[in-house]
Amino acid sequence: DQQVKQNSPSLSVQEGRISILNCDYTNSMFDYFLWYKKYPAEGPTFLISISSIKDKNEDGRFTVFLNKSAKHLSLHIVPSQPGDSAVYFCAAYKDSSYKLIFGSGTRLLVRP
Amino acid sequence: NAGVTQTPKFQVLKTGQSMTLQCAQDMNHNSMYWYRQDPGMGLRLIYYSASEGTTDKGEVPNGYNVSRLNKREFSLRLESAAPSQTSVYFCASSPLGLTEAFFGQGTRLTVV
Repeated sequence: DQQVKQNSPSLSVQEGRISILNCDYTNSMFDYFLWYKKYPAEGPTFLISISSIKDKNEDGRFTVFLNKSAKHLSLHIVPSQPGDSAVYFCAAYKDSSYKLIFGSGTRLLVRP
Repeated sequence: NAGVTQTPKFQVLKTGQSMTLQCAQDMNHNSMYWYRQDPGMGLRLIYYSASEGTTDKGEVPNGYNVSRLNKREFSLRLESAAPSQTSVYFCASSPLGLTEAFFGQGTRLTVV
């Protein structure tokens, strides 16, 4: 039972355009949602998070949107840069739990 | 500041052999985790240690054991390696709670 799903294995966008990465979840009890970025041969690095009591969080070029009724979140990257090319993982957890549940990842390619 | 350090980076084992993956963090974090990453599966939690002296099972604990040696170190042991344990293993640590977990660079393990 996959509680966090990233249905698009890959995404290709032109440099300067918007990248939108999507994530769906099934557990309505999740309190926090996070996005991690991973380059080859490196560990994942934290990018941005959002609490379930908010619907938007912004950090520079990165914005995460949360739609609780649809159990859906998305990461927007504007403008996209070639250095953003990486695998992006969506993750979620319930407060007081130590189990961070990851999606399967989306590989983003930003074309120069 | 080294962050989270994993050793070794690469390992090849024969079926039935045992080995221990080492992890150390220098950020004074309370919680530590072991994940495995398989193609198309994202990261799955094997074991975690919420604080020094405690360990708990994650999503996929079978075939593994862990030891929280002290606040800095959390090791993962494969007693009798199987080909199904071929994977990339990541150790992570976090302050109290999971608002941001820091990952090591990973150990690529192949069991033949």
